[in-house]
Amino acid sequence: DAGVIQSPRHEVTEMGQEVTLRCKPISGHNSLFWYRQTMMRGLELLIYFNNNVPIDDSGMPEDRFSAKMPNASFSTLKIQPSEPRDSAVYFCASSSTHYEQYFGPGTRLTVT
Amino acid sequence: GESVGLHLPTLSVQEGDNSIINCAYSNSASDYFIWYKQESGKGPQFIIDIRSNMDKRQGQRVTVLLNKTVKHLSLQIAATQPGDSAVYFCAETGEWGAQKLVFGQGTRLTINP
Repeated sequence: DAGVIQSPRHEVTEMGQEVTLRCKPISGHNSLFWYRQTMMRGLELLIYFNNNVPIDDSGMPEDRFSAKMPNASFSTLKIQPSEPRDSAVYFCASSSTHYEQYFGPGTRLTVT
Repeated sequence: GESVGLHLPTLSVQEGDNSIINCAYSNSASDYFIWYKQESGKGPQFIIDIRSNMDKRQGQRVTVLLNKTVKHLSLQIAATQPGDSAVYFCAETGEWGAQKLVFGQGTRLTINP
């Protein structure tokens, strides 16, 4: 079975550019989570959705970050404009239960 | 604020030995704890979980122990193998509800041949 799919796997962009990260959750899962991982701050939850509805976005760093989930099989995380401090690995995870989350392979973002 | 932390950032053990990874948590309201394993270049992978009404749970070569009195969580890996080398994270549900997991900083486990 396919796990959580993320694209792209690597993204290098210049400061000021718009970045869009994509995620396809596991079919049948009704919860989707976006995380950011850095050496300094570890793994941080940015936002999560239940049944395509954003439930908690308190982890979103600032207005430059936005996330959408137009349907049950697709979500995007957008950064506009991007800054060097946004460089990190971004993970998407999905879940069909309250607890066990399945993580994707991540997108490594580098902003120069 | 509430936090989940680890006592040791790195741990090295000989192949075949048992390893213990520790985690301290501060939120007494947390009712669910999970251990994740993250290999280089991959996303975290679920290992084992435990509810707050339990003090021990066993899986295949892994055991999680929960001591609510001192707010301590540990992951025991028996007969370690090279494939066990990874970063291990504990996570708790925290006070905001079951779905929002708070992750610890992680411990890097290295298995020496």
